[in-house]
Amino acid sequence: NAGVTQTPKFRILKIGQSMTLQCTQDMNHNYMYWYRQDPGMGLKLIYYSVGAGITDKGEVPNGYNVSRSTTEDFPLRLELAAPSQTSVYFCASNQGGSGANVLTFGAGSRLTVL
Amino acid sequence: GDSVTQMEGPVTLSEEACLTINCTYTATGYPSLFWYVQYPGEGLQLLLKATKADDKGSNKGFEATYRKETTSFHLEKGSVQVSDSAVYFCALSDSGGSNYKLTFGKGTLLTVNP
Repeated sequence: NAGVTQTPKFRILKIGQSMTLQCTQDMNHNYMYWYRQDPGMGLKLIYYSVGAGITDKGEVPNGYNVSRSTTEDFPLRLELAAPSQTSVYFCASNQGGSGANVLTFGAGSRLTVL
Repeated sequence: GDSVTQMEGPVTLSEEACLTINCTYTATGYPSLFWYVQYPGEGLQLLLKATKADDKGSNKGFEATYRKETTSFHLEKGSVQVSDSAVYFCALSDSGGSNYKLTFGKGTLLTVNP
C-alpha cells in the first residue's frame, strides 16, 4: 500500500516558469489537501477537495490552481512561479467519516524558485 | 477563526530527560486535537489525538490531555530518546464544518542528544 505519493521530490524553477506537482493516493480517500510548509511558519492550506470534481480554496491559494478529475489524483499547478513560492509542499488525504481528521501525508516536494 | 499556538523552539534535551511542549488553541465549537510528528526528510504523521474534553491521547510514550477549561493540549514524555528528534506540530480540526480541515501550529523542533 503506497499511501500518498508526490512527485517530484525536488525541483528548481526560474521566475515565470510553470509546473505541476503531482499527488496520487491509493486509499480511496475522498478528501485531499495541499499544504505548504515554510520555516517557522507551520503548514498553510493552499487548496482542498472533498471529492472528484470538487475543489475549494484554503488560506493561501493565490498563484496556484488545482483539479480533481479522479478520486486518486490531485495535482497542484503553479502558473507563473515567483520566489515567494519557494517552499516544501505536502499533499495529504483522509477518508472522512469515523477516520475524519487523521491525515495521511506524502513525503513532500521541495520547490525552489530562482 | 481557529488558531493554534505552540511553544517556540528549538528544544534541546539530553537522552532520558522529561519533555513538555505546550500547545493552546482558539476555536469555536468542539474541535478534535492532534499532535503530528515530522522526522527529518519525511512527511508528517499522526502521533496522537483526542476528540473530546478530558480525553488523553497516547502513543510511543507520548501523552497529551484535552483540557477544555484551559484550551490546552500539551505534549509530554517522561524519558526522551535520540530517536524522538523531530519537529512536532499541534493541530485542531475544523469542528464547525464538514470538510475536516486541520489548522496547524508553527511546529517545535526537538533535538535529543545522547
